[in-house]
Amino acid sequence: DSGVTQTPKHLITATGQRVTLRCSPRSGDLSVYWYQQSLDQGLQFLIQYYNGEERAKGNILERFSAQQFPDLHSELNLSSLELGDSALYFCASNRGSPNEQFFGPGTRLTVL
Amino acid sequence: AQSVSQHNHHVILSEAASLELGCNYSYGGTVNLFWYVQYPGQHLQLLLKYFSGDPLVKGIKGFEAEFIKSKFSFNLRKPSVQWSDTAEYFCAVHASGGSYIPTFGRGTSLIVHP
Repeated sequence: DSGVTQTPKHLITATGQRVTLRCSPRSGDLSVYWYQQSLDQGLQFLIQYYNGEERAKGNILERFSAQQFPDLHSELNLSSLELGDSALYFCASNRGSPNEQFFGPGTRLTVL
Repeated sequence: AQSVSQHNHHVILSEAASLELGCNYSYGGTVNLFWYVQYPGQHLQLLLKYFSGDPLVKGIKGFEAEFIKSKFSFNLRKPSVQWSDTAEYFCAVHASGGSYIPTFGRGTSLIVHP
């Protein structure tokens, strides 16, 4: 158990819908990272938040957005979903330094 | 921008065989290097990391990796694999002085037959 929690574990939805994925970082970690893992793209960095503020952006689509709340949990919002958005979405956390990241169990999103 | 290559996408071994997974990166400066493992149905977890010092790094579960700066490589090794090592292995590189975002390789799927 890494100490990072993600909900829900599985999500099945239809094209065009909107979903919210939630992540709670390890106690004391200020930085949250979101990744998308798919078979053809590998592990793609989406976005990072540090203590409530956006710190870095990766290959995140405009249909996707995220935020980090005062209690440091983070939410990833995916809208106008397409079949190609089906993937595993991981959240990771650390104290913000260039050190190892602690990953959550992931949310498996299936778009039908 | 840095990139990370893992040349072996799928590796199949029998128990007790030796393992070496390749990882090469493209970045000319100082780097921090990581290997993560993802067991079936589980989250990614750190196997080992290299920041500085002895280029031969020992990690958990008998894994080790060697940083060869001249070859821009950080290959993962284990002398004798077990069925429980079946997993996906990811190499990650972080460029010192840059953003705190590591670049991950595509991953290598290892299947160990009992």
